[in-house]
Amino acid sequence: SQTIHQWPATLVQPVGSPLSLECTVEGTSNPNLYWYRQAAGRGLQLLFYSVGIGQISSEVPQNLSASRPQDRQFILSSKKLLLSDSGFYLCAWSRGSGYTFGSGTRLTVV
Amino acid sequence: KNEVEQSPQNLTAQEGEFITINCSYSVGISALHWLQQHPGGGIVSLFMLSSGKKKHGRLIATINIQEKHSSLHITASHPRDSAVYICAAPAGGGADGLTFGKGTHLIIQP
Repeated sequence: SQTIHQWPATLVQPVGSPLSLECTVEGTSNPNLYWYRQAAGRGLQLLFYSVGIGQISSEVPQNLSASRPQDRQFILSSKKLLLSDSGFYLCAWSRGSGYTFGSGTRLTVV
Repeated sequence: KNEVEQSPQNLTAQEGEFITINCSYSVGISALHWLQQHPGGGIVSLFMLSSGKKKHGRLIATINIQEKHSSLHITASHPRDSAVYICAAPAGGGADGLTFGKGTHLIIQP
């Protein structure tokens, strides 16, 4: 079956610390992969998407970067977190019109 | 790009009431998603539908492609239905990924 794993569920990090959120997919190959963020009071917004290994497109400029070192692995990173990076981060994959969503990570930067 | 609007933003109802949440979008789509986000933040995919109606337990989702409108209904609502309900549609306009509504915060009081 097709599943997506995203961890951790919650994370509290100090300002200036690095970040690495990982998302892995099982049961499919060559999926499109996405990272979304939900800031307080706003809808989920697309941060990055990838159509293949090493191929990353960024939708909005920010303090974050993404990488896809393997077909079914998508990583969201930051070298130095800002307070404004706090929010809910969601990974998803798609093939055609179908999407599968991770359970999300709630990041609080303190 | 698609614009997705949800209403109402907030809804408080008594246990047992019939609940309706509405979603409209601006660009024709192949499929629309309904998601549920619990207070802890985790996302659960409820429905993906491209036409007509789908039912899962007490949840019913309908879509009218011509009118670019979808509704999520909850019958015999229960306090455990309290959550944020989010609709999402393909971004369209050549963009990848989904455009999400801001969500409807539902509270069911016992």
